[in-house]
Amino acid sequence: AQKVTQAQTEISVVEKEDVTLDCVYETRDTTYYLFWYKQPPSGELVFLIRRNSFDEQNEISGRYSWNFQKSTSSFNFTITASQVVDSAVYFCALSDLNQAGTALIFGKGTTLSVSS
Amino acid sequence: GAGVSQSPRYKVAKRGQDVALRCDPISGHVSLFWYQQALGQGPEFLTYFQNEAQLDKSGLPSDRFFAERPEGSVSTLKIQRTQQEDSAVYLCASSRTLGGRDIQYFGAGTRLSVL
Repeated sequence: AQKVTQAQTEISVVEKEDVTLDCVYETRDTTYYLFWYKQPPSGELVFLIRRNSFDEQNEISGRYSWNFQKSTSSFNFTITASQVVDSAVYFCALSDLNQAGTALIFGKGTTLSVSS
Repeated sequence: GAGVSQSPRYKVAKRGQDVALRCDPISGHVSLFWYQQALGQGPEFLTYFQNEAQLDKSGLPSDRFFAERPEGSVSTLKIQRTQQEDSAVYLCASSRTLGGRDIQYFGAGTRLSVL
């Protein structure tokens, strides 16, 4: 069965600190996609990144970076120099690469609070 | 529209009432998903449409839940005889094509409170 675990329920940091959000996944599929979404207080899930199982290259987008390691089934997300606007709930999710209409399997989310 | 639109944003129902939640997906998106998000949890899959066809309803928790997308665009999730355990945020998502590879874009959700 597919499963996503986000062990950190809540993280609190002070502005400008770096913070890493952990994500560990389980799947028997050899082809799959991993996602990160951000859910601010407004409630809408905002897409951040998609990664397929064949591409283990790390990615950087501004202050955001992602570390994908198949050997440990992890897809961790780091925010560098955090800002108050980064405060939100962050979800890691998994889907089957080849199956049509596959729903996302979400972790329980990590609530990030950034104070000034 | 520019994004996925859901209405109403908030709904309060008395136990036993029927409710209808609406989702307007991004124009032209083939796939539409409904998810249920309980407080402090991640979204959980309810049902999936490919155009007007409901191809997967394995996540619907009971036969009180019913969804439709008659013309392949707007979708309605209906809950009959609401119970307190139905209280949650109901999220709608759409994606451009078929397949698990595509990005799902989410609406802001409908927060349902059953008293």
